[in-house]
Amino acid sequence: SYVLTQPPSVSVAPGKTARITCGGNNIGSKSVHWYQQKPGQAPVLVIYYDSDRPSGIPERFSGSNSGNTATLTISRVEAGDEADYYCQVWDSSSDHLFGGGTKLTVL
Amino acid sequence: EVQLVESGGGLVQPGGSLRLSCAASGFTFSSYDMHWVRQTTGKGLEWVSAIGTAGDTYYPGSVKGRFTISRENAKNSLYLQMNSLRAGDTAVYYCARGGGSYGSYYMDVWGKGTTVTVSS
Repeated sequence: SYVLTQPPSVSVAPGKTARITCGGNNIGSKSVHWYQQKPGQAPVLVIYYDSDRPSGIPERFSGSNSGNTATLTISRVEAGDEADYYCQVWDSSSDHLFGGGTKLTVL
Repeated sequence: EVQLVESGGGLVQPGGSLRLSCAASGFTFSSYDMHWVRQTTGKGLEWVSAIGTAGDTYYPGSVKGRFTISRENAKNSLYLQMNSLRAGDTAVYYCARGGGSYGSYYMDVWGKGTTVTVSS
């Protein structure tokens, strides 16, 4: 079955750029979607189709996907961006699959 | 406003059953695939089931044969019948609206979740 690997945690200072990775075998051939989940809240879709942003999501959020790694990039990080972030793909052998999640800490 | 509201969670003994409901509003419910996704305390997200607009259903191996997803378009409602519940099914269960196309599915709207606790 397909496996998605995310780092457990990423830390970044306010105003800097955070990069959260999602690794998978030839993940560049799949569409990757990203969700933000703040404590006690439901997940929110922040990136779909690798790099598209739903309406209402700030332009500071962007995504890329190539080779074996997809990346969620958050520019000019704010305290309000502190959350867990999950990548997700659909795979014919694993159906809808989520990564283990990355806790973003704003220092 | 697009909204999903789950209900039906609670405490159930191992081996017992529970039926979750999800009330949808603000969009044409019948036109969308729908999903259930769960999250155990402090852990990640796990897809539980999906139902297509034609009523086709999908499950991962962990719940196949025990859980049944269904929809009632006239009532804008999604359901999850959970039987033979185990301690490992304890989680917050989210209802989510499906988006995307074949091979590129995502969930673009989520409810706030309902908590299921399986314990004696």
